[in-house]
Amino acid sequence: LAKTTQPISMDSYEGQEVNITCSHNNIATNDYITWYQQFPSQGPRFIIQGYKTKVTNEVASLFIPADRKSSTLSLPRVSLSDTAVYYCLATSNDYKLSFGAGTTVTVRA
Amino acid sequence: EPEVTQTPSHQVTQMGQEVILRCVPISNHLYFYWYRQILGQKVEFLVSFYNNEISEKSEIFDDQFSVERPDGSNFTLKIRSTKLEDSAMYFCASSDPGGRGEAFFGQGTRLTVV
Repeated sequence: LAKTTQPISMDSYEGQEVNITCSHNNIATNDYITWYQQFPSQGPRFIIQGYKTKVTNEVASLFIPADRKSSTLSLPRVSLSDTAVYYCLATSNDYKLSFGAGTTVTVRA
Repeated sequence: EPEVTQTPSHQVTQMGQEVILRCVPISNHLYFYWYRQILGQKVEFLVSFYNNEISEKSEIFDDQFSVERPDGSNFTLKIRSTKLEDSAMYFCASSDPGGRGEAFFGQGTRLTVV
């Protein structure tokens, strides 16, 4: 599976948009980009997944350019409860998930 | 919304004892997993299970570990002789075929080995 690189941490304030960029230069043709969220002492939770272009759901948007070498998770109008670790993963049909260190997003009042 | 449930939420055991961590995956899922997370570290894959057999395991999953699906609903992780370094959060997860990386995780069991 392709290695992904993302910032270790990001700070934001309530009501702002948070954009987390993930690099995956060696992503394989079959790989999808999948994002998970993890709160302290809880299991990771699937947020969003995409292959190319833009995907949006009730939680976030995911932008993947045509070359697929990077992607950006966008969290609109964050609140204090969005403080968590966000993981970017390259996933495929082999089902195993390889988590990195993730990005710790801290939202302040 | 269907969810993966794990019991117990917290277990304290003495070094050398056997522990069994239990999970009830989402009912129509076919793939089951165990992951662990040592405090302050990343989530690590242990094992995946499909069609009543292990499909993949990591180097962490040595002979001290075993998994079982004893009936149609439960999925268990057994650690035969616990070590201090087995202290961690253990997460069970499940997914359906074609999920392409969308797995559902339980709330975890915090295992403390003393």
